[in-house]
Amino acid sequence: GAGVSQSPSNKVTEKGKDVELRCDPISGHTALYWYRQSLGQGLEFLIYFQGNSAPDKSGLPSDRFSAERTGGSVSTLTIQRTQQEDSAVYLCASSRDGQAGELFFGEGSRLTVL
Amino acid sequence: QQQVKQSPQSLIVQKGGISIINCAYENTAFDYFPWYQQFPGKGPALLIAIRPDVSEKKEGRFTISFNKSAKQFSLHIMDSQPGDSATYFCAASKGGGADGLTFGKGTHLIIQP
Repeated sequence: GAGVSQSPSNKVTEKGKDVELRCDPISGHTALYWYRQSLGQGLEFLIYFQGNSAPDKSGLPSDRFSAERTGGSVSTLTIQRTQQEDSAVYLCASSRDGQAGELFFGEGSRLTVL
Repeated sequence: QQQVKQSPQSLIVQKGGISIINCAYENTAFDYFPWYQQFPGKGPALLIAIRPDVSEKKEGRFTISFNKSAKQFSLHIMDSQPGDSATYFCAASKGGGADGLTFGKGTHLIIQP
């Protein structure tokens, strides 16, 4: 498709399990961003990629969170040993190089940790 | 430290009225100020944006007013319609913005018919 694609759209998991969230950006977009949206908390920056490298990982909440991007395209956000406070919508966005202000967002992956 | 403060948290406006959402920022290095609109179950989408070399930008019923000295900017929605009911986020970025946007916490806008 023409937009940013995220999967799964919904994920329910048990506390302590690992989860992987996938993002497929718009073709040709070199920059990719992960945000977390919690109820009433706005959009929290997690990490961004320029190509396959991540210059800024400062937003990752803990060492249980990691992300990678391969081939300058698909990215995976992994949360290990999930906790209830990880429950949120995880949004991915992409942009053309040098125009990061114009982010194109996917519809998000809603994670619920029981 | 919250770098972009947005108010109000929620807003109810009658159809045809003017909706006004305000944001204030702290980092004087910010040089790009977009507004995003988000409908339930969807990702945010760019609505309108401004750079600090102008004080106002208008696109249809949507206007951004920018006050550089006060480090404030606002979104005005004229002739508000029920279809404008959504959550609105202001944001800011610096230096070309390659490291992404800093978002406000959002305003839940309801336009009553």
